[in-house]
Amino acid sequence: NAGVTQTPKFRILKIGQSMTLQCTQDMNHNYMYWYRQDPGMGLKLIYYSVGAGITDKGEVPNGYNVSRSTTEDFPLRLELAAPSQTSVYFCASSYPRGRTGSPSSYEQYFGPGTRLTVT
Amino acid sequence: KNEVEQSPQNLTAQEGEFITINCSYSVGISALHWLQQHPGGGIVSLFMLSSGKKKHGRLIATINIQEKHSSLHITASHPRDSAVYICAVRAGNQFYFGTGTSLTVIP
Repeated sequence: NAGVTQTPKFRILKIGQSMTLQCTQDMNHNYMYWYRQDPGMGLKLIYYSVGAGITDKGEVPNGYNVSRSTTEDFPLRLELAAPSQTSVYFCASSYPRGRTGSPSSYEQYFGPGTRLTVT
Repeated sequence: KNEVEQSPQNLTAQEGEFITINCSYSVGISALHWLQQHPGGGIVSLFMLSSGKKKHGRLIATINIQEKHSSLHITASHPRDSAVYICAVRAGNQFYFGTGTSLTVIP
C-alpha cells in the first residue's frame, strides 16, 4: 500500500490564483481530513469527510473547498489564494470501511504534506 | 485559549534519560492521540487512547480522563527519538492539536 499520497510537494502561488491540492489513499478508509500547519501553531482542521459524498467544515474552512466523489480521493481547492494561506497542508485518513466499532478507535494516517507559499 | 496545551515546548535530554511530555485539554473527548513529527515533516501516529495506559517499545502513554491530562514517556531515550511530539484530541468529528514538544536527545 502507498498509504496516503499528496501532490504537489511544493507550490508557489501568486495572490488571487487558484489551485487544487490532491490527496489519495489506498487503505479503503471512510474518513479523510485536511489540516494546515503554521509555524509555531498546532495543526488546524480545515475540512473532513466521513465517506464519499459527505463533507463537513472543520475549525478553519474559510477560503477552501473540498469534494469527495470517491472513497480514495479528497481534493482541497483554494479559489483565490491569499498570503494567509501560506502553510504546510496535510491530508490524513482513518477508519477502514467494513470495520465495526467507533471511528474514535482508529488511528489516523498522514500524507507527506504540501508546502504552499502565496506571494 | 487553546483546547490542547502541551508542556514543555522544548526539551533537551542526554541519551538514556527518561523523558516525560505532558498534555492537558479542555474539551470533552472520545480519544487522544500522540503523534511524532520527524525533522523532514512527516507525521506518524504513536498512540491512540481513550483510557488507561498503552506501551509500545520504549514509549508509554497514559491518560487520566477525570483530570483531562495525558503523558507520553520515553524510557532510555536515544538520539533517533529527536522529533516533535504532538498531542491531539478528538471531540466528535473535530480534532484539536497541541503546538508540539520539540525533543532533542544528545548522544
